[in-house]
Amino acid sequence: AQKITQTQPGMFVQEKEAVTLDCTYDTSDPSYGLFWYKQPSSGEMIFLIYQGSYDQQNATEGRYSLNFQKARKSANLVISASQLGDSAMYFCAMRSLNSGYSTLTFGKGTMLLVSP
Amino acid sequence: NAGVTQTPKFQVLKTGQSMTLQCAQDMNHNSMYWYRQDPGMGLRLIYYSASEGTTDKGEVPNGYNVSRLNKREFSLRLESAAPSQTSVYFCASSVGLAGVSEQFFGPGTRLTVL
Repeated sequence: AQKITQTQPGMFVQEKEAVTLDCTYDTSDPSYGLFWYKQPSSGEMIFLIYQGSYDQQNATEGRYSLNFQKARKSANLVISASQLGDSAMYFCAMRSLNSGYSTLTFGKGTMLLVSP
Repeated sequence: NAGVTQTPKFQVLKTGQSMTLQCAQDMNHNSMYWYRQDPGMGLRLIYYSASEGTTDKGEVPNGYNVSRLNKREFSLRLESAAPSQTSVYFCASSVGLAGVSEQFFGPGTRLTVL
């Protein structure tokens, strides 16, 4: 069974500062993928970034980067130079990449508020 | 290219009523999913369809049925709605279940059962 834990119900950051959203996971699969999604107040789920368990380098997508520490089973999302539009709910998710089918398991989310 | 569309956007039901939530995708994806989102619970998988013609239970399937009508459409049915099914429902799709495959989400349906 897979489990995602997001321990921060809410985070506050000032505009232009960097922020880290925590995510730890538990799985017995040797091959897995980690995903981050953003959910603004409008409700849609927006894919942000992906990290594979065998990827040598941490994933980056513009202002988003994933701080992947395999031994600690953590996959924290780092947002650099926060913007007001980054205020949203953020979800960490994972799925097994082993042969066969596997579906996404989501964490409970972290609400990020960016202040001017 | 509309991505994933869901109808209706909002719905209010009385206990015991039935309804079907519709979902369609135009990305030629093989796999489709239904999730529910409750406050403080994140997203939980209700049912999924790995490919046209197949459906499987997710984490919280009780009280729901699904139909993969064709490759584009995946519907979720509540046969006898209960207040515990008050939630926001999301449909999603992906190229497939195997390998690296991000999921694309619809805008959601906000359902209230009185």
